[in-house]
Amino acid sequence: KNQVEQSPQSLIILEGKNCTLQCNYTVSPFSNLRWYKQDTGRGPVSLTIMTFSENTKSNGRYTATLDADTKQSSLHITASQLSDSASYICVVNDGSSNTGKLIFGQGTTLQVKP
Amino acid sequence: NAGVMQNPRHLVRRRGQEARLRCSPMKGHSHVYWYRQLPEEGLKFMVYLQKENIIDESGMPKERFSAEFPKEGPSILRIQQVVRGDSAAYFCASSRQGNYGYTFGSGTRLTVV
Repeated sequence: KNQVEQSPQSLIILEGKNCTLQCNYTVSPFSNLRWYKQDTGRGPVSLTIMTFSENTKSNGRYTATLDADTKQSSLHITASQLSDSASYICVVNDGSSNTGKLIFGQGTTLQVKP
Repeated sequence: NAGVMQNPRHLVRRRGQEARLRCSPMKGHSHVYWYRQLPEEGLKFMVYLQKENIIDESGMPKERFSAEFPKEGPSILRIQQVVRGDSAAYFCASSRQGNYGYTFGSGTRLTVV
């Protein structure tokens, strides 16, 4: 069964600190991997998209890495801000389907405290 | 250029009633996807539609659920005879082509009482 597993389930950090969120996936074949940010009561917003040939991609204070061999990805957040408090979701595009179907992880809930 | 618009934002239905959720894709987007998010769970794919066609409905429950994307107007996700287990957030996403450029709406939160 295709799965996307994230860790930790939740995380609390102090404002200004860095953190790294992990994602392991078993989706095969795999087309691309995305990280989304979902604020409470809102829809997911894309942070990064990486194909299997990309190792890293940055978007401001967010940096995603991908190891397609070990099927692992991470999202590093630098100099956290209170507005970073949200759920961060790892999403893998099912490459066996050309319909764009996405498989979502359960997310890591990040809370940034002052 | 408004984003993906979903309405209503919140919907309360009694058991046995029908729920209709609407999704207007971004301008120029002809691909629509519906996802469901149960409490404390990740989003789960339900159905993928292009104009007037259902392309992939592998995530849709076999009964009571249906979706359409007519030539004119928004995409509609219809749930007949709702049950408490249907309570969830339903998200719509649209794209111009293929699987890039997904944009999600803010969702409709359905509560069945």
